[in-house]
Amino acid sequence: QVQLVESGGGVVQPGRSLRLSCATSGFTFSSFDIHWVRQAPGKGLEWVAVISSDGTNKFYADSVTGRFTFSRDNSRNTLYLQMNSLRPEDTAVYYCAKGPGLVGVAYFDHWGQGTLVTVSS
Amino acid sequence: QSVLTQPPSVSGAPGQRVTISCTGSNSNIGAGYDVHWYQQLPGTAPKLLIYGNNNRPSGVPDRFAGSRSGTSASLAITGLQAEDEADYYCQSYDSNLSLYYVFGPGTKVTVL
Repeated sequence: QVQLVESGGGVVQPGRSLRLSCATSGFTFSSFDIHWVRQAPGKGLEWVAVISSDGTNKFYADSVTGRFTFSRDNSRNTLYLQMNSLRPEDTAVYYCAKGPGLVGVAYFDHWGQGTLVTVSS
Repeated sequence: QSVLTQPPSVSGAPGQRVTISCTGSNSNIGAGYDVHWYQQLPGTAPKLLIYGNNNRPSGVPDRFAGSRSGTSASLAITGLQAEDEADYYCQSYDSNLSLYYVFGPGTKVTVL
């Protein structure tokens, strides 16, 4: 079955960096776009970034543009979110989520369990 | 502030029907972009409930139904059950510069 497992979360000081990972299995990894979606404590869902199936196209929410970098290793079925210059407002559970693999179709059909990032001094 | 709007909460007794609205604009739902719905049970990750306005993934009961019209969409839950108590989010795509994928703020469904 499709699985996405995030790791790498933790407590980090403002201005520092953190790298999240998302290990996947159960589907043809190189055929699907993958997204990061975050949820601040007690708040709603916020889309963060997407990477295309081949890794050539990446798009980011304004709130993270220039600070976060999304990459993928299709040989390891794993994705990475490098988060630099972290701010307290980046505190959230970060989910990786799989797209449906259909051109022009934009939803998230499988989600990981999430990893908590806390930015605090 | 969310690009899509939802009521903060709805409630109903077991067996009743409840609906959740999702209102957008001409740059998202009104532009013809599909609406999708997610259910988030307490302490868990979101789960796809409805995709493409009115399609249910395998395993989602037919008590859940989605629809879209104009700049709005709605999710109906019929025969409300205790296990339906959760947060529900609508989601679409927005063509405004750099908005991309947008979510509603979420609606808490309470089973009385």
